[in-house]
Parts: sequence; structure tokens; C-alpha cells
Amino acid sequence: GENVEQHPSTLSVQEGDSAVIKCTYSDSASNYFPWYKQELGKRPQLIIDIRSNVGEKKDQRIAVTLNKTAKHFSLHITETQPEDSAVYFCAATAGNMLTFGGGTRLMVKP
Amino acid sequence: KAGVTQTPRYLIKTRGQQVTLSCSPISGHRSVSWYQQTPGQGLQFLFEYFSETQRNKGNFPGRFSGRQFSNSRSEMNVSTLELGDSALYLCASSLEAGAFNEQFFGPGTRLTVL
Repeated sequence: GENVEQHPSTLSVQEGDSAVIKCTYSDSASNYFPWYKQELGKRPQLIIDIRSNVGEKKDQRIAVTLNKTAKHFSLHITETQPEDSAVYFCAATAGNMLTFGGGTRLMVKP
Repeated sequence: KAGVTQTPRYLIKTRGQQVTLSCSPISGHRSVSWYQQTPGQGLQFLFEYFSETQRNKGNFPGRFSGRQFSNSRSEMNVSTLELGDSALYLCASSLEAGAFNEQFFGPGTRLTVL
């Protein structure tokens, strides 16, 4: 089955800096890669996703890149703000079930 | 539209007991998935139900089971509880079946097994 590894497990940045979270997956059949954000005590929410026919996708300060050959994808957050502080989960799927990475706790220091 | 709701929000049980958790999806959503969230293992897929049928199942023992009703509401049951079952159980609904659809998560049920 699919295995998704996520790094780093914790990330601390200064407000205004960029943050990058990386994930690798094992199943070459995976073709959908969503990212979820979970603020403390709240439910996970989808923030961006990418499909395998696209190499990069942007939404304001958030971007995701995908390298299918290397089987890794990354989340990029620019101009970080305190409200970006949360746990971020990557996931991968070939269609049947989502396999999540272990999560990255992002702390943005004001 | 109202979001996904889960009841109860908190549960305390003892080893050997069984528990039933409930999930009401967003109106119009026909798929419900269940996940176990623990600090050590992250988010792990339990199963997905669509049109009252289990479509997919994660790597969990048979003590974990579920069902879906005709109104798309879903229940999850855990029998013979073990200490390691302590976790936050999240359900998520989506319009259609399959993991390509955006999952809308509920607030979770925090289960503590003593």
C-alpha cells in the first residue's frame, strides 16, 4: 500500500519568512495530492491540492509542487503570518483512500 | 449548510467495553470516511461508506466496524476496547465516493480508554 513520509515534523519561522514542507510517497499510481491544515483544537481543512497532470499550483501565498519522477511533493507558504501556525498534513491517493503524512507543526513567530 | 457533526464529542470507556460513534455528513454528501488521529500515528484511514456500502477499508482489526444509513449518517463501532484505541476519531464527508473528492471533516470524538 501507499506510504507517505513528511518532513520536517516541526518547523519554526519568523513572520514574513517562507516555509517549505516536503512529502514523499511510495505508490507510483498515486495521482492526487491534497494538503490539509489543522489549527489547534480544530478540524482539518483542505487548503490546496494538486493532481498528477500538473507540476505546480498556486493560491495566493500558498503553492504546491509535484515531482512525479522523484515521487515527492512540497507545500510552500510565502510571507508567513501568525495565523499560518497550525499542523499541516500532506496526503496521497490513487483513488481509493487517502494516506496521510505524519504532519508538520508550523510555528510562526511574530 | 451545516457542517459535519459528530456525537458524542468526548467519551471515556474502560478496556473490554464497546463504543459507538455517530457522524452526520453535510446535507447532500453521500460519502462518509472515518479516520483515527493519534499523536504518534497521525491520521489513519479506517473505512469509507457510500450508499450504505463499505467501499474501502484501512488496516485496522475487525474490532473496528461501521455502517451507513439511508440518510447518509454513519456510525462507527469499536468492540473490546484496548488502551491503544484512545484517539480522536474524525469522520469526513464528501459529495461522491473516492478519495479524489474534498473531505470535509467533523470536529471529532475524543475517546479515552482507561
